[in-house]
Amino acid sequence: NAGVTQTPKFRVLKTGQSMTLLCAQDMNHEYMYWYRQDPGMGLRLIHYSVGEGTTAKGEVPDGYNVSRLKKQNFLLGLESAAPSQTSVYFCASGDRGEHQETQYFGPGTRLLVL
Amino acid sequence: DQQVKQNSPSLSVQEGRISILNCDYTNSMFDYFLWYKKYPAEGPTFLISISSIKDKNEDGRFTVFLNKSAKHLSLHIVPSQPGDSAVYFCAASDPGAQKLVFGQGTRLTINP
Repeated sequence: NAGVTQTPKFRVLKTGQSMTLLCAQDMNHEYMYWYRQDPGMGLRLIHYSVGEGTTAKGEVPDGYNVSRLKKQNFLLGLESAAPSQTSVYFCASGDRGEHQETQYFGPGTRLLVL
Repeated sequence: DQQVKQNSPSLSVQEGRISILNCDYTNSMFDYFLWYKKYPAEGPTFLISISSIKDKNEDGRFTVFLNKSAKHLSLHIVPSQPGDSAVYFCAASDPGAQKLVFGQGTRLTINP
């Protein structure tokens, strides 16, 4: 049981390049989330999904797109990377239940945009 | 508008003493609160939670207190251990929101 995994762990991009971050979970969770963490800003929600085929905007969605074609995967895309998107990106999954909104996080992807 | 605030970016505590981390919120609809712990180069991990129908929840060395009238919650760690050195995030959710709102985090350092 791997929990939540993220690919890649680290990436350097040039301004204007595109990339996709992959998140996979093996806990059969309905909900999946993408966050970014920046110094002094905490965890800010980018996009989330409450089920296969659904997506919704979070707090800071601009410049990102997402897709949830399979229940276990949640992809985060950057079509044209900007230096302001330099950050650490965390994926999380969760379900309503005994712990309601408890979320399980992946190890993070560190992205540097030059 | 920051709905969940952790006003102390950092806290330093001596080993064996009590650590108290604070969190304030503005949305009175929040009904569930959580604390997450994060080590460097790792994702956050769930630590403890509390429902708005309670004012205290305890799990070993960790206790969370909720003061609804003040819209304030706190995490107490007793006794503090070196392994508790980490960044702590508080988070909150409201009914049906299907997502969490996180605070900015507090870096706790336990000194030997």
